[in-house]
Amino acid sequence: DAGITQSPRHKVTETGTPVTLRCHQTENHRYMYWYRQDPGHGLRLIHYSYGVKDTDKGEVSDGYSVSRSKTEDFLLTLESATSSQTSVYFCANRDRTTGELFFGEGSRLTVL
Amino acid sequence: AQSVTQLDSQVPVFEEAPVELRCNYSSSVSVYLFWYVQYPNQGLQLLLKYLSGSTLVKGINGFEAEFNKSQTSFHLRKPSVHISDTAEYFCAVSDQGSSNTGKLIFGQGTTLQVKP
Repeated sequence: DAGITQSPRHKVTETGTPVTLRCHQTENHRYMYWYRQDPGHGLRLIHYSYGVKDTDKGEVSDGYSVSRSKTEDFLLTLESATSSQTSVYFCANRDRTTGELFFGEGSRLTVL
Repeated sequence: AQSVTQLDSQVPVFEEAPVELRCNYSSSVSVYLFWYVQYPNQGLQLLLKYLSGSTLVKGINGFEAEFNKSQTSFHLRKPSVHISDTAEYFCAVSDQGSSNTGKLIFGQGTTLQVKP
């Protein structure tokens, strides 16, 4: 357990509104990740971070931005939400010793 | 770039029967391999992983997987399933390169449905 907390756990919003999802870790792991989960697609990487203020794009980064101002917090922002961004979002961190990723319980976002 | 294919989207099986969930991967470099399980409305939990060494890997809850480099496969097996094994299972790969960022590429998932 790498102590990941995601908030909010559920959110309903309207098209065109900004949305921020927060991921907080109690560990001091360097690497953190945001994935989205959709039926038939498994989990796809949106963005990841390898340190404070160090981030990079994943395979489905369009329409998303991230920020990491502190080791423990990794924020995912949808500047203008669209219906195609309705999904379940998972944050993860990585134990560099074992290579294992630990996941939060997910944030379910519905964009109407 | 890596990719992962899970060959079955759903696998129904009766309780106490054996099960195999199939996973094939594609990569131009050496890889690490993982199986994760997701119970309803929860996050993902690591079942087992292959980093190096013995190609037969044992994990939690009685699961095991075998790394086959020539067939680029990493199939998950359990000799006798329980109702509580009903969940979605994900195979994942990450590269071993020097710039390894630990990014996991996931398969599409396989839903294991154990029937009484």
